[in-house]
Amino acid sequence: DVKVTQSSRYLVKRTGEKVFLECVQDMDHENMFWYRQDPGLGLRLIYFSYDVKMKEKGDIPEGYSVSREKKERFSLILESASTNQTSMYLCASSSPFPKETQYFGPGTRLLVL
Amino acid sequence: GENVGLHLPTLSVQEGDNSIINCAYSNSASDYFIWYKQESGKGPQFIIDIRSNMDKRQGQRVTVLLNKTVKHLSLQIAATQPGDSAVYFCAERVGVTGGGNKLTFGTGTQLKVEL
Repeated sequence: DVKVTQSSRYLVKRTGEKVFLECVQDMDHENMFWYRQDPGLGLRLIYFSYDVKMKEKGDIPEGYSVSREKKERFSLILESASTNQTSMYLCASSSPFPKETQYFGPGTRLLVL
Repeated sequence: GENVGLHLPTLSVQEGDNSIINCAYSNSASDYFIWYKQESGKGPQFIIDIRSNMDKRQGQRVTVLLNKTVKHLSLQIAATQPGDSAVYFCAERVGVTGGGNKLTFGTGTQLKVEL
């Protein structure tokens, strides 16, 4: 089975703090993704990566950065957390076409005070 | 029971009945679709997928139907069980960039199974 793990299930941070969210997958997937999920808005893509050290902006990259130094690990960084970044953060991974189904981790619920 | 899309985000069905969850997708060029199930406090779980060269695909107790003419996708769950209670999302692939793929997700339908 595909396994995607995220470093924390719950996080509480203060405004202005630097926040690191880590994601690890064990299926040797090339593609990795970070989403945020908010009520009524569905999943929105923040960043994705299709190879080590490669990254592309998604639909809402502002206020976020990412790092992919190893194939299995994709980190999301909030340089200076703000209250509007309180959300559920979901990581996913996939192989390239034609096996491109995305598999998700359990999510990190982040509260910024 | 039948849900007619995002305007009715909650679908309630009796245990044992069949459920139909609908999704209207946006891009006529989308060529790949996925249904996910998300239980409370968990990440989305893959259920079934379908490519645009197919109209129907069946899994275990689930069937996905694709109508490209009206850009409509549905998920049918047979003999709905309490464990099926969750939020169900459809997703469409809107393009391929650099070997990866991007998905656009619907906002989801809450399925509630009544005993």
